[in-house]
Amino acid sequence: KNQVEQSPQSLIILEGKNCTLQCNYTVSPFSNLRWYKQDTGRGPVSLTIMTFSENTKSNGRYTATLDADTKQSSLHITASQLSDSASYICVVSAGGTASKLTFGTGTRLQVTL
Amino acid sequence: AAGVIQSPRHLIKEKRETATLKCYPIPRHDTVYWYQQGPGQDPQFLISFYEKMQSDKGSIPDRFSAQQFSDYHSELNMSSLELGDSALYFCASSLEGLAQETQYFGPGTRLLVL
Repeated sequence: KNQVEQSPQSLIILEGKNCTLQCNYTVSPFSNLRWYKQDTGRGPVSLTIMTFSENTKSNGRYTATLDADTKQSSLHITASQLSDSASYICVVSAGGTASKLTFGTGTRLQVTL
Repeated sequence: AAGVIQSPRHLIKEKRETATLKCYPIPRHDTVYWYQQGPGQDPQFLISFYEKMQSDKGSIPDRFSAQQFSDYHSELNMSSLELGDSALYFCASSLEGLAQETQYFGPGTRLLVL
């Protein structure tokens, strides 16, 4: 069964600090991996998307890495801001269409003063 | 930039009633996806449409139906509502419906069934 596991489940950090979120997947075959940011009660917003051949991709203060051999990905947030408080969801695609997307349950990040 | 629009944003219904949720994709996007997200859960794929035809089907109950119209907007029709249908319903849109295309999510419709 395709699965996406994220850790930690929740995280509290001080504003300005960095943090790293982890994603392990067992989706096969693998097409791509995405990180989404979801504010409470709102739709997910795409941060990065990586294919098999990509090891790292940045989007502003967000940097995602992918190790297709170990089936692990991380999302590093630099110099966190209060507005970074949200759930971060790792989504892995097995190719094809939307039903082949496997969502992780997310990491809830809270940035405090 | 224009985003995905969903209406209504909030909806309260009673058991056994019907509800219609609407989704207006980003201009020039031809694919629409519907997801259901329960409290504390990840989004569950319901159904998708590409060029007005159903392109994929997920865990959509038989009580629900959906369609995509000529202007590419989509409607999710929900009948005989049950308490368990209370959730956030997201619509997402993309180009060509391929897995490598980014899905852009709307703000969601929060449905509460009493």
